[in-house]
Amino acid sequence: QQQVKQSPQSLIVQKGGISIINCAYENTAFDYFPWYQQFPGKGPALLIAIRPDVSEKKEGRFTISFNKSAKQFSLHIMDSQPGDSATYFCAALTQGGSEKLVFGKGTKLTVNP
Amino acid sequence: DGGITQSPKYLFRKEGQNVTLSCEQNLNHDAMYWYRQDPGQGLRLIYYSQIVNDFQKGDIAEGYSVSREKKESFPLTVTSAQKNPTAFYLCASSILGQGSNQPQHFGDGTRLSIL
Repeated sequence: QQQVKQSPQSLIVQKGGISIINCAYENTAFDYFPWYQQFPGKGPALLIAIRPDVSEKKEGRFTISFNKSAKQFSLHIMDSQPGDSATYFCAALTQGGSEKLVFGKGTKLTVNP
Repeated sequence: DGGITQSPKYLFRKEGQNVTLSCEQNLNHDAMYWYRQDPGQGLRLIYYSQIVNDFQKGDIAEGYSVSREKKESFPLTVTSAQKNPTAFYLCASSILGQGSNQPQHFGDGTRLSIL
């Protein structure tokens, strides 16, 4: 119930391509879904987040698509660049409760030049 | 600059030794969190605190202890009871109770290894 399942575990994309990372959850009480980007030796940094009352949110080259009925959400990185090479984590939270984030296990993205 | 400072960046522990990881934030955030990160395991919650002098166990609290004597500080002690302490430890903080989406902000971690 508390898990967030993330796939794929690793992803290799050519420069200029589209990177897609998928997440699924079971707990319908989750109401906030952030994505974090982590570079080696650094802490995760918030990339983009969405609430379940919208189906899509776009910030620059990064887009979250959200399917409430399927309990799935995904991150799309358009025109992927070598500088996007990092580990990406999806997460979910129930606001007003314990405020604990539940993280997926991460996707290591490599963008080849 | 506001942020979260974790120290030290690297730490080595001898067998039977307790070690303490520091986490300080100047963001005036209410809540603070400690996570453990292992390769392929994502981030797992160790302890969290929503208010001074109060804290709750996360999913993997065994072998760890914390204190929250000041709003800006949330040190984590890895005790000798933690048999597999080698990991990357991350501290985070967030605002609570505003009814809007408030993300957790992370420090740059402490890497703990066994000697």
